[in-house]
Amino acid sequence: DVKVTQSSRYLVKRTGEKVFLECVQDMDHENMFWYRQDPGLGLRLIYFSYDVKMKEKGDIPEGYSVSREKKERFSLILESASTNQTSMYLCASSFQPRGNQPQHFGDGTRLSIL
Amino acid sequence: RKEVEQDPGPFNVPEGATVAFNCTYSNSASQSFFWYRQDCRKEPKLLMSVYSSGNEDGRFTAQLNRASQYISLLIRDSKLSDSATYLCVVNYNQGGKLIFGQGTELSVKP
Repeated sequence: DVKVTQSSRYLVKRTGEKVFLECVQDMDHENMFWYRQDPGLGLRLIYFSYDVKMKEKGDIPEGYSVSREKKERFSLILESASTNQTSMYLCASSFQPRGNQPQHFGDGTRLSIL
Repeated sequence: RKEVEQDPGPFNVPEGATVAFNCTYSNSASQSFFWYRQDCRKEPKLLMSVYSSGNEDGRFTAQLNRASQYISLLIRDSKLSDSATYLCVVNYNQGGKLIFGQGTELSVKP
């Protein structure tokens, strides 16, 4: 089974802090994704990556950056956390850069910015 | 128009009922289609892929109509444990990006 592991289930940070969310997958997947999910808004794509050191903006990249130094790890960075970034953050991975494969999700991180 | 649109919920059904969810997508070039299930406060999990000829997995049947850009999910003999939000998912292009619908909430009552 695919295993996508997110570093924290719950996280509380303060406004202005730099926040790191980590995600690791164990299936040698090329593609990795970061989403946020808010009530009534569904899943929204923040950033994604097709390969090491590659990144692409999703639908809502403002206020976020990402890092992919190793194939198995994809980090989401909140440069200066704000209260409107309080949300559920979900990491996902999938196989094949050109494939139409399903994505497999981590457990999610519930982030609260105070 | 949203790229992926689903039936508004919630659907409240008794145990044993048959329930159908519908989904339309706007990108005629989409090639891959999935249904995901998401339990409250949990991550989305793949329920099943949707193939052109339609496919069945136990009590679940998925259908695809490319001409109408329409996907459906049928759940027969509903169980209490089927209560969840069901997400219709379509690929965006040849890459790995997927577009998720907003989801339809199902509540199965005793």
